[in-house]
Amino acid sequence: GAGVSQSPSNKVTEKGKDVELRCDPISGHTALYWYRQRLGQGLEFLIYFQGNSAPDKSGLPSDRFSAERTGESVSTLTIQRTQQEDSAVYLCASSASGGQAGQPQHFGDGTRLSIL
Amino acid sequence: GQSLEQPSEVTAVEGAIVQINCTYQTSGFYGLSWYQQHDGGAPTFLSYNALDGLEETGRFSSFLSRSDSYGYLLLQELQMKDSASYFCAVGSARQLTFGSGTQLTVLP
Repeated sequence: GAGVSQSPSNKVTEKGKDVELRCDPISGHTALYWYRQRLGQGLEFLIYFQGNSAPDKSGLPSDRFSAERTGESVSTLTIQRTQQEDSAVYLCASSASGGQAGQPQHFGDGTRLSIL
Repeated sequence: GQSLEQPSEVTAVEGAIVQINCTYQTSGFYGLSWYQQHDGGAPTFLSYNALDGLEETGRFSSFLSRSDSYGYLLLQELQMKDSASYFCAVGSARQLTFGSGTQLTVLP
């Protein structure tokens, strides 16, 4: 597609359930990023994929969070045993090549996750 | 680690000029970027400075002083549609660290 696509756009679930969020990056973009944005806050880096290299998981807040990406395509972010503090907008971004700050990151519209 | 500071809110009137400042502390500096985010929308890239000086893109300009660890975004001829949050971000070798954002309100 023309832009980064994320699904679902909204997700409401009960505390303790697992959730899976999906991101389709722009075709040909080798770098893919996941961020978390709490209400009124900045973007919190979670994880970064670059081609077939080992992902940079340094931003994942706990072992309940994991993410996968197959090659240079779709990525999924999984949150296990959700907690209320996980409520936030989860944003995915892709860029033509990772590593350099000058490469614009193109963001999806995000998944708004609400934990009851 | 990396940290950034920017004002939380700025208000200006339509047609005016506004400057949003950003100071940063970082190890391994790869440049300063600016992103715009409207309420409920996705962040969109505005500009990037790797070297000292001013970069101009239409009504928007961005400035960087590496020796002062400081930059700013300058918005001219403000329009109502410029009301949004503006984030500065510093790059490392692999990722961007974003500031908490500045909420710009443009009044008629």
